[in-house]
Amino acid sequence: ELKVEQNPLFLSMQEGKNYTIYCNYSTTSDRLYWYRQDPGKSLESLFVLLSNGAVKQEGRLMASLDTKARLSTLHITAAVHDLSATYFCAVDKAGNQFYFGTGTSLTVIP
Amino acid sequence: DSGVTQTPKHLITATGQRVTLRCSPRSGDLSVYWYQQSLDQGLQFLIHYYNGEERAKGNILERFSAQQFPDLHSELNLSSLELGDSALYFCASRPPRYGYTFGSGTRLTVV
Repeated sequence: ELKVEQNPLFLSMQEGKNYTIYCNYSTTSDRLYWYRQDPGKSLESLFVLLSNGAVKQEGRLMASLDTKARLSTLHITAAVHDLSATYFCAVDKAGNQFYFGTGTSLTVIP
Repeated sequence: DSGVTQTPKHLITATGQRVTLRCSPRSGDLSVYWYQQSLDQGLQFLIHYYNGEERAKGNILERFSAQQFPDLHSELNLSSLELGDSALYFCASRPPRYGYTFGSGTRLTVV
């Protein structure tokens, strides 16, 4: 079964700092997705990475994909409190289901 | 509003009971995916329907069943409920080659 691992599971960071969340997956896939979830809320799509070397940026978040290493990163630049949430990566398997990582719970401290 | 509609938003029921969760995909999307999110199991894929046909099954218990109707809405039926079934249940739809669009979820509490 396809496995998706995220680290760290919990991240507490100060405002203004930079950090990276890592997502490793166990089988070949050309598509990787990042989602954000606020407590008790739905999942909001952040990035869709469709090919090796893809890089996408939105505000203080930047996601990249290395399909050869089976690795995606979500880089946070100059964190602000509003970024506090749980972030999930997910890998698409044959279009029939996503395999989600365990999630990274991010807390940005003033 | 994501365009994926789930009802009800909250459901509280007793053990042993049966409930039905409903999902309408975004206009034009033929797929519906059901996921269960609990604290200990994370996001677990349950089942995928495409245009009325079951396409994939994940970790769905035998007590659970689903169907997709001709108007493309889907229902997830949970029966003989146990305390451990308490979770957030999401449905999602997607156009080809894009990520899921999730509904707002149904929070099920079994007491």
